[in-house]
Amino acid sequence: GESVGLHLPTLSVQEGDNSIINCAYSNSASDYFIWYKQESGKGPQFIIDIRSNMDKRQGQRVTVLLNKTVKHLSLQIAATQPGDSAVYFCAENRAGGTSYGKLTFGQGTILTVHP
Amino acid sequence: NAGVTQTPKFQVLKTGQSMTLQCAQDMNHEYMSWYRQDPGMGLRLIHYSVGAGITDQGEVPNGYNVSRSTTEDFPLRLLSAAPSQTSVYFCASSYSMAMNTEAFFGQGTRLTVV
Repeated sequence: GESVGLHLPTLSVQEGDNSIINCAYSNSASDYFIWYKQESGKGPQFIIDIRSNMDKRQGQRVTVLLNKTVKHLSLQIAATQPGDSAVYFCAENRAGGTSYGKLTFGQGTILTVHP
Repeated sequence: NAGVTQTPKFQVLKTGQSMTLQCAQDMNHEYMSWYRQDPGMGLRLIHYSVGAGITDQGEVPNGYNVSRSTTEDFPLRLLSAAPSQTSVYFCASSYSMAMNTEAFFGQGTRLTVV
């Protein structure tokens, strides 16, 4: 089931450092994973995605790693900037049956970047 | 090209009142969905639609109705608002239900039920 709580995990880094945000997923049938960034007062914004037949995908300053063995997803942000401060969500798309096309979101992680 | 537009941005309702949250997209997307976001939690799917005339329930559908008479619009109705429906609501759209399809989100509607 989904973890419920009022306090999100937090990560504080210095500007210029690399950030790693982690996410555990529960459904081994999930085929597709997405990372979203949500700034205060805004809707989630797509960052990067990965399919289950891959274990790594790189974008501009971001890399997503997928470990299907332990059902773990991570987002690496290189040279983190103050503008990267936001809440980061992982989402999984559970393939097949009535779950097809429905995104299930994780709890989120608050990233704070200090100048 | 405005993307996904939600109105209103803020709303306060009294318990028992009804209202409709509007969502419109101008990207000709087939798939639209509504989520709610509560403190400390990720987004939870309320209802979704795979095209005009077709809707289905998500994870938390109780207390909400939807319809999809056009490709562009996907309104969410609260028939009798309850304090438990205090939340931030996000509408999203994507080209299709298929995987590898990026979902675009609106700016959100912050609803308070007193």
